[in-house]
Formats: sequence, C-alpha cells, structure tokens
Amino acid sequence: ETGVTQTPRHLVMGMTNKKSLKCEQHLGHNAMYWYKQSAKKPLELMFVYNFKEQTENNSVPSRFSPECPNSSHLFLHLHTLQPEDSALYLCASSQAASGAPYEQYFGPGTRLTVT
Amino acid sequence: AQSVTQLGSHVSVSEGALVLLRCNYSSSVPPYLFWYVQYPNQGLQLLLKYTSAATLVKGINGFEAEFKKSETSFHLTKPSAHMSDAAEYFCAVQSGGTSYGKLTFGQGTILTVHP
Repeated sequence: ETGVTQTPRHLVMGMTNKKSLKCEQHLGHNAMYWYKQSAKKPLELMFVYNFKEQTENNSVPSRFSPECPNSSHLFLHLHTLQPEDSALYLCASSQAASGAPYEQYFGPGTRLTVT
Repeated sequence: AQSVTQLGSHVSVSEGALVLLRCNYSSSVPPYLFWYVQYPNQGLQLLLKYTSAATLVKGINGFEAEFKKSETSFHLTKPSAHMSDAAEYFCAVQSGGTSYGKLTFGQGTILTVHP
C-alpha cells in the first residue's frame, strides 16, 4: 500500500449503531487529520494529531471520537450519529512542523450515510 | 485568523480555452498557499503550493498560480483546458507560526470543460 488509505470506502449505518473509520498513512508523516466534507459546504477540519497527541478539536460533537495509537494510524469512532452527519470523511497526513509549509496528503475518503 | 474565498462556485470553459479560478485569502501572518484538485469519488490531490519563494508557481498538469500580496490573491490558471481537467478545485491557506500544518480551505470551484 502507498500513500494514505481509508477503510471502509462506503458505510451505511443507523442512528443507534457504533462503527469506526480507519486511516493509515504509509508516508512516514508525523501529523494526521480528519476532515468532514458535506455537500455545498467547505471542508471542515475536525481533529489534528501531531506525534499521536491531539492538538486540535474543532468543537466536534462527542458522538465522534478520534483515536491515534501511533503516527501511522488514525481512527474515527462513531456512535449515535444523526442524519446530518452523512458526508465524505477524509483523512490526511503531513510532515508537519511549527510554521513550516508542509502539504497534506489525502486518502480517498469514506462515504458515510446515516439512516 | 486565516480565511479563503473562492470567487465562483462553478466555472465553465470550452476545451482549449483559458482556465482561471480565483482565490483570495486573509491571513494575519505571511501565508503559505495551496491549490488542490478533487476528482469524483476521490480525495484531494495537491496541484501546487506557494511557500514564499517565487511568486509564480508551476504545478502539475500544466497549472500555475501567481501570488499577489497587494491583492491578497492566488489565482489558478491553465492556458488550455482539457476534458480531463473537469473536477472540483480547492484553494487553501496555512498561516506560518505555530499552526502544525493546519489548512483552511475555500468552498471549492467546480470546473466544467465543454467539448
């Protein structure tokens, strides 16, 4: 595998289900990100992890719970979601350092539908 | 604080015509600027980036962008559009300083190319 991978690519879940999204980066980066992409809205940054430590949480509801066990893996645990949470969830990674312009590399995304 | 405005949510050109996608930014410190492209059902792919070196930046697939500080702009151009350029394009800004690779994205511009 190369780059950033995400599984599953598609997920349909009911509002009472619990599921997890997985992201893995094969680039040796130290920072990982979760974004939400909804129709007709800008990309929304959800969480940032730098060297496994969460450095940003953009007021994301607690029904979204991130986990970063190491610099290569990132999870997004989902529970009791709402229909408005249906979106494309994108994972990205970068070789981030303070003040440095490192670009982010994106995975293909997980298309989530909440019924 | 940093922000990005992309003028025009949809741009339509004929094959072979000039492509111009507009981006204006706001940043309290010298910015780093990026253009990404997203094809249907895929993640974002980096086209080019500005990191305070040359103000005219060349990217992949024949695209280029010019950083104009006086106009706070970073417009994306391509001299001759190809059918394969049809996609959604995102401008993003990263402020220098202590932000660990945090990007703020514009709302995106969908480019349609007509035969």
